[in-house]
This record gives sequence, C-alpha cells and structure tokens, in this order.
Amino acid sequence: EIVLTQSPGTLSLSPGERATLSCRASQSVSSSYLAWYQQKPGQAPRLLIYGASSRATGIPDRFSGSGSGTDFTLTISRLEPEDFALYYCQQYGSSPRTFGQGTKVEIK
Amino acid sequence: EVQLLESGGGLVQPGESLRLSCAASGFTFSSYAMSWVRQAPGKGLEWVSAISGSGGSTYYADSVKGRFTISRDNSKNTVYLQMNSLRAEDTAVYYCAKDLRPATAPFDYWGQGTLVTVPS
Repeated sequence: EIVLTQSPGTLSLSPGERATLSCRASQSVSSSYLAWYQQKPGQAPRLLIYGASSRATGIPDRFSGSGSGTDFTLTISRLEPEDFALYYCQQYGSSPRTFGQGTKVEIK
Repeated sequence: EVQLLESGGGLVQPGESLRLSCAASGFTFSSYAMSWVRQAPGKGLEWVSAISGSGGSTYYADSVKGRFTISRDNSKNTVYLQMNSLRAEDTAVYYCAKDLRPATAPFDYWGQGTLVTVPS
C-alpha cells in the first residue's frame, strides 16, 4: 500500500497569498497517477488536479499541480476567499487507492 | 448532468448489516468503474471498495475485506455496498464516486454521502 504524507497539516495564509501544499508518497506513484481534491465543511470532495498536473473541468488556473515519482505539490497562486478549505492528495495508480491525511488552508 | 444519489444509511448495532445504494444518472453508467469512499467524523478520506464497469472485477480495502461486498446493476444504473458485521469503526459518511474515465482515473463526481452510525 502506498502511504501519502501531506504537509503541512495546517497552512495559515491571507487572501491573495500563495499556498504551497506538499504530498509525499512512500513509493513511486506510477505514471503520475496523483490527484488533488478540495473539500469544504459538509460537502463532498471536488476534483481539482489529476495526472499530477492536469486541471479538472472548471477549475480556475490559479490551481496548479506538479511533481513526479514520490514528491508532488499543489500550488494556489493567489488565494481567494473560497479557497480556504481542506485539500487531499490521492494516488490512483495502484490498489488500494490511498489518500493523504489532508492539509487545511485557513485564513490567517 | 451527472448525479449520484446515495441512500440506505442509518443507525445500526454492532454486528448488524446494512446495504447502501447509489443511483447514478447523466452518463453511460456501465462504462465507468464506481467506488465507495468513507469519511469518519472529523477524519480524512478512506477508499473502501471499487467495481469495474461490467461488474466483473471488485476491489476492497483490507479494513472491510470479507465483511463488505460491492455490486452493481447496470440495468438500474445503481451501485450497492452490502455491509455485514458492522463495527463502531465503520461509522462514517459513505460517498459513492465515479471514475473520471474508463481507464485508471481519479474520482470526478461524488454523491452527497450517506451517514452510517454504529455505536460502540
């Protein structure tokens, strides 16, 4: 099983600032099958990024993903008020499809 | 418009059973693998089980293997999760989720979730 470790646990930033979230895998993620999701309280997760760097339909271009192998990054270039939420990475290249424990982006 | 609507959650005693359903619409259901993902109160996401588009292949997390069974009825556009021998640690919101594409893919649509509560 591939274990995903996200850091930091909480990121305290102000609107307009840049957010950088990390996801490290315990072994290489095949073919960069790495996704990022956003979840707000009381809502289901929403797909942001897949294939490590492809934005899902309707996702603003302030969200970008990068990385390969075992190290991946989600960057939000300029935080909007609606971006303060929980973010999870997930690998879907091998079973079980594991998730990271999440990073909370909160308003400073 | 893609819609996934879960039902069947509720309060059950340890050792009892429950069957969750997820009714899908807005896409060619039989072409896509479907999964169940759960989230315990205040915790992160845990993938539980997946089933291929044809239903011929199924996959389970170790935590539920032997107790949960995933199935689908492509004539009804519905995926099921039969949960037996429920434990307190199975308490969670259960989401059904659709794969983005027929091959290896993340989840592009999720239902609103259904809460399963198993008291300790």
